Amino acid sequence: EVQLVESGGGLVQPGQSLRLSCAASGFTFSTYWMHWVRQAPGKGLVWVSRINSEGSSTSYADSVKGRFTISRDNAKNTLYLQMNSLRAEDTAVYYCARDDLGSGFDPWGQGTLVTVSS
Amino acid sequence: QSALTQPASVSGSPGQSITISCTGTTSDVGSYNLVSWYQQYTGKAPKLMIYEVSKRPSGVSNRFSGSKSGNTASLTISGLQAEDEADYYCCSYADSSTFVFGTGTKVTVL
Repeated sequence: EVQLVESGGGLVQPGQSLRLSCAASGFTFSTYWMHWVRQAPGKGLVWVSRINSEGSSTSYADSVKGRFTISRDNAKNTLYLQMNSLRAEDTAVYYCARDDLGSGFDPWGQGTLVTVSS
Repeated sequence: QSALTQPASVSGSPGQSITISCTGTTSDVGSYNLVSWYQQYTGKAPKLMIYEVSKRPSGVSNRFSGSKSGNTASLTISGLQAEDEADYYCCSYADSSTFVFGTGTKVTVL
């Protein structure tokens, strides 16, 4: 079964850092693009970042560029999102998702909640 | 990176057809045939319903169909059923290898 499981969310203060992980199983992780997508409470989906299969190419939403870093360890079948200088507006459920060269996000993980508050 | 524009809500009676629009620009929807649609129930992860404008993943009902004309993509749900009541989001590949989601549409089955 293809599965993605996020972890690492929690409550942090503004300005602090957090690293999210997404453990993949049931498919050849190293052959797919991967994404992070977030959803603030009661709001819509917002794309955050994408990484190619080898980890050599990344892209980011303007709202997180320079603060967040996406990476992957294909040997460990794990995707990461390093989040620095966190702001209140970064509060959201963060989902990881698999993507076949931009065609569509499938499947999605169950999400991990990040709350930025003092 | 402005969100694609979707109607906030669409409603229909059981058995009817409804269409959700998704309007972007020449930097996203208008330039790439990489538009996808997602269904999301409250508190659940999104589910892929349509990819590459009009393709259906295995297991998705053929009542769901997608299309695109210019800068606007559309999702049509035919034979509306109670289980279709959910939030729907479009997504498009965009310039500079980025992606952008739509504002989301709440579908209500009357």
